Amino acid sequence: QKEVEQNSGPLSVPEGAIASLNCTYSDRGSQSFFWYRQYSGKSPELIMFIYSNGDKEDGRFTAQLNKASQYVSLLIRDSQPSDSATYLCAVNIQNTDKLIFGTGTRLQVFP
Amino acid sequence: GAGVSQSPRYKVTKRGQDVALRCDPISGHVSLYWYRQALGQGPEFLTYFNYEAQQDKSGLPNDRFSAERPEGSISTLTIQRTEQRDSAMYRCASSSQETQYFGPGTRLLVL
Repeated sequence: QKEVEQNSGPLSVPEGAIASLNCTYSDRGSQSFFWYRQYSGKSPELIMFIYSNGDKEDGRFTAQLNKASQYVSLLIRDSQPSDSATYLCAVNIQNTDKLIFGTGTRLQVFP
Repeated sequence: GAGVSQSPRYKVTKRGQDVALRCDPISGHVSLYWYRQALGQGPEFLTYFNYEAQQDKSGLPNDRFSAERPEGSISTLTIQRTEQRDSAMYRCASSSQETQYFGPGTRLLVL
């Protein structure tokens, strides 16, 4: 079992729709969870982080964490073509500063 | 302020040569991380430093890979006797707390 799993996609959604990106992780001791966006040929950039169970909203983005189910998700409301990118889920390893990344989900938002 | 910088941005070398990749973190960032990213994959952890101390090198593939950060700022990742399988994007990130900020990467091609 991979430590961080994501569906590679592509996930295709129409402009204006909600895009839902999902991630599961194996280390029950993980405390910090991150979503990065990576445009083709560019470096990853942080979108959001979440530490506590529940939802965290920032503009059009909402991160959701369920530690009991070892599941973290990212919702993008009112999706725009400019949101088309690969979204990477990253999880810290317990008691370390080390992050483990998933393979990423490619999102395509079509006009 | 300036972000994480890496040099060179591109490196082409012949099999068997040594290469040194440089990372200049965001000023004041305590932690520095090295990752390798293959096409279509998420960043793969290699090693990280807090100040000048190497905290974890469990991700280094073999003993041809080494890293140092002698003064707690700039870091160098060295690959000795390069092999074609070492060809990849090498990314550096730095952080002051938990959030990691990535540099532009060095694309290494071993012929």
